[in-house]
Amino acid sequence: EVQLVESGGGLVQPGGSLRLSCAASGFTVSSNYMSWVRQAPGKGLEWVSVIYSGDNTYHADSVKGRFTISRHNSKNTVYLQMNSLRAEDTAVYYCARDLGYCSDTTCHYGMDVWGQGTTVTVSS
Amino acid sequence: DIQMTQSPSSLSASVGDRVTITCRASQSISNYLNWYQQKPGKAPKLLIYAASSLQSGVPSRFSGGGSGTDFSLTISGLQPEDFATYYCQQSYSAPSMYTFGQGTKLEIK
Repeated sequence: EVQLVESGGGLVQPGGSLRLSCAASGFTVSSNYMSWVRQAPGKGLEWVSVIYSGDNTYHADSVKGRFTISRHNSKNTVYLQMNSLRAEDTAVYYCARDLGYCSDTTCHYGMDVWGQGTTVTVSS
Repeated sequence: DIQMTQSPSSLSASVGDRVTITCRASQSISNYLNWYQQKPGKAPKLLIYAASSLQSGVPSRFSGGGSGTDFSLTISGLQPEDFATYYCQQSYSAPSMYTFGQGTKLEIK
């Protein structure tokens, strides 16, 4: 069964750090684009980070320089290291497989598998 | 950066109705547009990719259309399980950036 399970969320003080984990089963993270998406309480979805092809990464401007996405291929796990946390980082964090639906000429990426989410609360 | 704007923000409808949600991009994104459904306390679910392609396992009452800057999600014959929040997402600038719309909450009338 294709599945993602996040862990590592919790309560942290402003300025603190946290590392989220996303364990995959049924597919290999190294062969896929993998993203983190967050949702603040009562708000919409916000893309955070992606890792793909080798160890190429991108991060949203709101987290650039503070968050780092990485993966451990032998553990089939994706991570999100979050430093210098702020109150506005409080959210449910989801990891997702970003599947490429490809034709001869192009690929369309859509997040087809999601974890259950892990809650991060930044508060003193 | 590409901005995505959905309308309406909320919508009331009855079981059996046909409803359409629209999504507008701040610049042309061709057909690099996805639609997701999210129920309270649950992760989002991919419904439509590439503007009009139905994700495997999604009922055929869901359909998507549009290209360039204007897109739509139509649900024909609303079912009780369809009451949820719907988000559009552009993947034109993937993988450097993905942008979601602000969401449309579909409620029972």
